[in-house]
Amino acid sequence: KNEVEQSPQNLTAQEGEFITINCSYSVGISALHWLQQHPGGGIVSLFMLSSGKKKHGRLIATINIQEKHSSLHITASHPRDSAVYICAVTGNQFYFGTGTSLTVIP
Amino acid sequence: DGGITQSPKYLFRKEGQNVTLSCEQNLNHDAMYWYRQDPGQGLRLIYYSQIVNDFQKGDIAEGYSVSREKKESFPLTVTSAQKNPTAFYLCASRSDFTDTQYFGPGTRLTVL
Repeated sequence: KNEVEQSPQNLTAQEGEFITINCSYSVGISALHWLQQHPGGGIVSLFMLSSGKKKHGRLIATINIQEKHSSLHITASHPRDSAVYICAVTGNQFYFGTGTSLTVIP
Repeated sequence: DGGITQSPKYLFRKEGQNVTLSCEQNLNHDAMYWYRQDPGQGLRLIYYSQIVNDFQKGDIAEGYSVSREKKESFPLTVTSAQKNPTAFYLCASRSDFTDTQYFGPGTRLTVL
């Protein structure tokens, strides 16, 4: 069983759609991270959060500590948002989800 | 600019050869990590180092070795004992003050 589960695994959306990616975890954590991996392979950190909600441009991340659940939302999606989005948590080590592959079609 | 560099981006080796992947950071981070990424799987931890001259095995250390002689450098050697070495390898370092990890661009290793 994975400590971090993401859904969906794959997601295709039309440009402009509102997108939600979900993450559930089963371990105690000090922080949750949303990462973005582009086709070239490099990974960048989008958010680190331990409670509540954070917003950066069109991206919003929320976390519910009691339910051990986080969501990443993308508003007004754009083809350049196409990437793999990875949820990770920091407990006694880093645990990574398998990622959600997002394709936004013009 | 501060960051993490990995070289080369693509690497090809014959079966049975050892190969060393480079990872350098100028972020002055103490902690560094090596991960392996395979299709359909999350990142898996190979080795990590919390400080110079010290490193610990991760979940899948068999067939790999590392060294940490300098704070800036954390090279990974994929030995011939690694049964399935073809994969994408990511190096990361972690800020001493937050839990944020900073990733390198990765090295895609193909063993022929």
